[in-house]
Amino acid sequence: QVQLVESGGGVVQPGRSLRLSCAASAFTFRSYAMHWVRQAPGKGLEWVAVISYDGTNKYYGDSVKGRFTISRDNSKNTLYLQMNSLRAEDMAVYYCARDGGRYGGNSQVSMGYWGQGTLVTVSS
Amino acid sequence: QSVLTQPPSVSAAPGQKVTISCSGSSSNIGNSYVSWYQQIPGTAPKLLIYDNNKRPSGIPDRFSGSKSGTSATLGITGLQTGDEADYYCGTWDSSLSAVVFGGGTKLTVL
Repeated sequence: QVQLVESGGGVVQPGRSLRLSCAASAFTFRSYAMHWVRQAPGKGLEWVAVISYDGTNKYYGDSVKGRFTISRDNSKNTLYLQMNSLRAEDMAVYYCARDGGRYGGNSQVSMGYWGQGTLVTVSS
Repeated sequence: QSVLTQPPSVSAAPGQKVTISCSGSSSNIGNSYVSWYQQIPGTAPKLLIYDNNKRPSGIPDRFSGSKSGTSATLGITGLQTGDEADYYCGTWDSSLSAVVFGGGTKLTVL
């Protein structure tokens, strides 16, 4: 069955960087857009970014624009999130999720499969 | 402050029906499909409804979705204790060029 496994979370100081990975299996990774969604402790879901199936189209949430970069390596079936200039408010569980289609950034967005999440703690 | 507005909580007795509303605007719900997610505390979200009213394979028909104008509604019939969870609506916002979620609704099955 479809599996998404996030890794790379941990404790990082404010202002530092971290890269998350999401390893995908049991589906044709290169055919689907992929999302990152985060959830701060005790809070709701916050969408972070989406990347199209071929990596050509990317969109970001306002709170991370200019600091985070989403990317993918279709040869490795892996999604990435490079997080720079981390802030206390970036502390959250980060989920990767598969979109229902190729593009993600359109009116028909939905997230049918989710990973288990990886926790990012930003603290000095 | 979420772009999409949901009630913070709803409750109903086992076996009863409940609806959860999601209110937006012409730049999001009014022009895009809505999806709904269930999140049991401590676990990842799960897709319940996509394209306003479609259920993924494996989701029972006790769950339904509808959309009218700039609002959407999730309906759950035959409530079970296992339905206790947080529920989120989501859609694409064309003005923001971003996915937006509601703030979430906590369902309590009394």
